[in-house]
Amino acid sequence: AQSVTQLDSHVSVSEGTPVLLRCNYSSSYSPSLFWYVQHPNKGLQLLLKYTSAATLVKGINGFEAEFKKSETSFHLTKPSAHMSDAAEYFCVVRGYASGGSYIPTFGRGTSLIVHP
Amino acid sequence: DAGVIQSPRHEVTEMGQEVTLRCKPISGHDYLFWYRQTMMRGLELLIYFNNNVPIDDSGMPEDRFSAKMPNASFSTLKIQPSEPRDSAVYFCASSLQIELGSPLHFGNGTRLTVT
Repeated sequence: AQSVTQLDSHVSVSEGTPVLLRCNYSSSYSPSLFWYVQHPNKGLQLLLKYTSAATLVKGINGFEAEFKKSETSFHLTKPSAHMSDAAEYFCVVRGYASGGSYIPTFGRGTSLIVHP
Repeated sequence: DAGVIQSPRHEVTEMGQEVTLRCKPISGHDYLFWYRQTMMRGLELLIYFNNNVPIDDSGMPEDRFSAKMPNASFSTLKIQPSEPRDSAVYFCASSLQIELGSPLHFGNGTRLTVT
């Protein structure tokens, strides 16, 4: 079985300050992990992914995430928030499931609010 | 590549009517997923296909919901009869086959309103 927990439903930051969106996962096997972003009235867009290569993964728009196996975490960070970063962010784990499938499991999402 | 294409973008219908949502996955992708997103329940997996075959429909809420994938480039999600509680945004996503590292590619969704 696999699961993912996004520890904050809302995160509020000021423009220009760092962003930290927290994600913890559980998986029976070494999974792949993803972060997606969803802007209002849009579909989900892939930000970055981890697939057992480098533990620090860089994505689009200056975001990065670090895979920490010992902590079962995959937190998303950005050094300096921009107003356009305001959106919903989803952490996703994709690991082996029963029956030989690799169905992804989505977190409940974290709403990032950026103040001027 | 045009990405995953969903139609219509918006659908407003009256309770009891049939609703059909359409999806064209990215060419060459072997997996197709249908999700429903609401404020209350977040993103829910309804059903997924592998090579046009439905693999798991345990997320389909009721018999009123059905999904088909007649070929590799087209899928439909049908609700008959529709009810106000079906109002949500429905997303279709596709991915390459079974590799763990294959991300899902999402369409822009269909916003369904049932009055």
